[in-house]
Order: sequence, then structure tokens, then C-alpha cells
Amino acid sequence: AQSVTQLGSHVSVSEGALVLLRCNYSSSVPPYLFWYVQYPNQGLQLLLKYTTGATLVKGINGFEAEFKKSETSFHLTKPSAHMSDAAEYFCAVSVDTGGFKTIFGAGTRLFVKA
Amino acid sequence: NAGVMQNPRHLVRRRGQEARLRCSPMKGHSHVYWYRQLPEEGLKFMVYLQKENIIDESGMPKERFSAEFPKEGPSILRIQQVVRGDSAAYFCASSPDSRRAEQFFGPGTRLTVL
Repeated sequence: AQSVTQLGSHVSVSEGALVLLRCNYSSSVPPYLFWYVQYPNQGLQLLLKYTTGATLVKGINGFEAEFKKSETSFHLTKPSAHMSDAAEYFCAVSVDTGGFKTIFGAGTRLFVKA
Repeated sequence: NAGVMQNPRHLVRRRGQEARLRCSPMKGHSHVYWYRQLPEEGLKFMVYLQKENIIDESGMPKERFSAEFPKEGPSILRIQQVVRGDSAAYFCASSPDSRRAEQFFGPGTRLTVL
């Protein structure tokens, strides 16, 4: 079975500081990994994804994540936080079971201080 | 190309009534997934459908909940005899086929049960 653990339900950073949101996964087969962002009362927007190939993936809005198989991690980073980054972030894992069922982490709410 | 559409965006029901949530996938997408998000929680998988077929309903409550995706028209998530615990945001996602892990999410339907 697959699972996703996001460390820290709330993360607070100052504007301009590094953003690091942690995600660890469990999967018995090679996973596909995603980060989504959710703004209040809105749906989920895909930030980035890892399927195969390069382990460092770049996404929208300056975010990137690195797939580390040995650590079963897929942490999300951004060098410099912006006020508009304040939102809820979800890490997710999908595996091919004849279709893809996506398992989400509980989410990390990012606060950005001026 | 319009994205995934869900309606209504907000739905209020009294206990015991029925709720019908609709999802129109992206054009060309024949796979639909439903997820539920309870307040302050991540998304939980409910059901995966293809046209006229339920592929995986392992996340659906055993009673009162049903889903369909007919040959023509939107996918419907139906909740009979709603209770207060059904209050949540329900998200639909679509993908073009079973070989793609990436899912595209709709804006969600927020159900409130009085």
C-alpha cells in the first residue's frame, strides 16, 4: 500500500527566505510523485511532478523538488518566498494499478511573513 | 480547452435530503476520479470511473454513496440521506487514459449539511 507523510502541518517563513516543505512516501512499486497547491476555497493546482528520469524537477512559480529514492523523500523547495506563496501544499503519490489512484498527504499550510 | 468543471460550486442540504454533485471532465478525458476533503484534512480517494464502468470504489462509504459516469453526460456523485458528517469539499479529477498518472482537478463542490 502507498502512503504519504508531510512533516509539519504548518510552516512559517519570512518573505525572501527559503521554503522547505517535507514529504516522505511509502510505495512498494516505483511511484509517481506530485506536489499540488491549494488556495482558499479553490481546487488543486499542479506545481510539479516526478514520473521518470531526472530526479530534480522544476515546477511553476519557482518551486522545485528532488526525488530521493534512498530516503523515500520528495521535498519541495523555493529559494525565496513570496507573499503570494501562502497556501496549502499537498504531496501526493500515484502508482499504476491499472489506473492511477492518487494518495495525498495531509497537507502543509505555508505562512509567509512580511 | 475548458478544464474540469464541477457544479454546483456550493450546495446546501438539510439532513436526510439527497445531494447530487456533477463533474464534466476535460475534453478528451474518459477517466474520472472523485475525492473528498474534510475540513483541515487532505484529499481522500473515493472512486475511479471510466465511461459506464466503476474501476475502483475502495474509498466509497458502503452506504448512501454512489457514483456513475454514463456514456453521455457528466459523472455524478450521489449522496442519499445526507448527514452532517458529509459536509466537505468534493473534488473531481480527470485524466485522458489509464496510462497517465497526472490528474487535472476541478474547483470542487462544497457541500454543507444543516
